[in-house]
Amino acid sequence: AQSVTQLGSHVSVSEGALVLLRCNYSSSVPPYLFWYVQYPNQGLQLLLKYTSAATLVKGINGFEAEFKKSETSFHLTKPSAHMSDAAEYFCAVISNSGYSTLTFGKGTMLLVSP
Amino acid sequence: DTGVSQNPRHKITKRGQNVTFRCDPISEHNRLYWYRQTLGQGPEFLTYFQNEAQLEKSRLLSDRFSAERPKGSFSTLEIQRTEQGDSAMYLCASSARDRENYGYTFGSGTRLTVV
Repeated sequence: AQSVTQLGSHVSVSEGALVLLRCNYSSSVPPYLFWYVQYPNQGLQLLLKYTSAATLVKGINGFEAEFKKSETSFHLTKPSAHMSDAAEYFCAVISNSGYSTLTFGKGTMLLVSP
Repeated sequence: DTGVSQNPRHKITKRGQNVTFRCDPISEHNRLYWYRQTLGQGPEFLTYFQNEAQLEKSRLLSDRFSAERPKGSFSTLEIQRTEQGDSAMYLCASSARDRENYGYTFGSGTRLTVV
């Protein structure tokens, strides 16, 4: 069974600082990995996805993530935080073997201060 | 197409009452999913439909929960005899056949409060 672990339930950065949100996956087969963002009282919006093509994936709003098989990681980064980035971020995984559904981590709340 | 639509957005109900939520997926998506999200947690899988067939149900889906997707279009999720522990955000998502490449598209959710 596949799973993801997000390190840190809250991350605080200053506006303009680097954003780094950590995600490690556990999967017995090569996974497909996703990052979603959720604003208060809203559904989830797809930021980016890794589907075994390029290991460095660029998403919307200036976010990107790098798939590192040796570290079983898929960390999300953004060079310069904006106030509008404040939201909850979820890492998720689908196994590419057989049938499976999207499995989410517990989420990381990103707080951005002026 | 306006994405995945969920109704109502909010529902407050008394304990013991029945509630029903509706989800209208993206029209060309044949797969539909229900998730439940409680405060401070990631979404948890409840059930999955491919067209009209319900192919998988989580152990989270107790006997009080039932979901349908007649004719493979919209879906309903009913909770009978609601309990305070059912209070959560219920999210619906849909995906095309090639879900790995396109991911899931989520609706805005229905927030249920059981008082």
